[in-house]
Amino acid sequence: GDSVTQMEGPVTLSEEAFLTINCTYTATGYPSLFWYVQYPGEGLQLLLKATKADDKGSNKGFEATYRKETTSFHLEKGSVQVSDSAVYFCALSENTGNQFYFGTGTSLTVIP
Amino acid sequence: DTEVTQTPKHLVMGMTNKKSLKCEQHMGHRAMYWYKQKAKKPPELMFVYSYEKLSINESVPSRFSPECPNSSLLNLHLHALQPEDSALYLCASSQSERYEQYFGPGTRLTVT
Repeated sequence: GDSVTQMEGPVTLSEEAFLTINCTYTATGYPSLFWYVQYPGEGLQLLLKATKADDKGSNKGFEATYRKETTSFHLEKGSVQVSDSAVYFCALSENTGNQFYFGTGTSLTVIP
Repeated sequence: DTEVTQTPKHLVMGMTNKKSLKCEQHMGHRAMYWYKQKAKKPPELMFVYSYEKLSINESVPSRFSPECPNSSLLNLHLHALQPEDSALYLCASSQSERYEQYFGPGTRLTVT
């Protein structure tokens, strides 16, 4: 079945460091891919999305490219801030079904 | 406007109480979801309503009873809960079942 695998956390970075959070997926069809962010005590916020191969999603300095050949959707940011400290979830939606699959989440802490 | 609202924000209830969680969206979305989230875990799908009909019930105990009075509202009725049901309950909505989901801030439920 479909699934999402995220890199283990927690991740601790210094402010202005480069961020990569790895996400790979398994899917039978052509899924849509998402990154969500959850700040402490809040719900999940959609950060970015990509609906087909080679699409690049971007928002608030974060980017991720839908790579069909490597079944990956890695999240990157060139310079993280303390305010980026949160838990990041990679997710997949089947294009024909009705299920959303979440990765296990990666906790990011950015220190000044 | 991509807002999903949930009430109450916090709820403490005893094991014999009956309470309800409420969720509302005004984005014209036709799919609505209930999730349960434990600390440091991804959301777990409980129920999906599509066009006001229950389309997925992920083997949730009968002490949780969903209701969709109309396309904008979703309720979760709670009765005779157990302490292990303490969690963050998230509501989400999407244009339809394969599209990105927008989450509310959640209700933090504590069962004593």
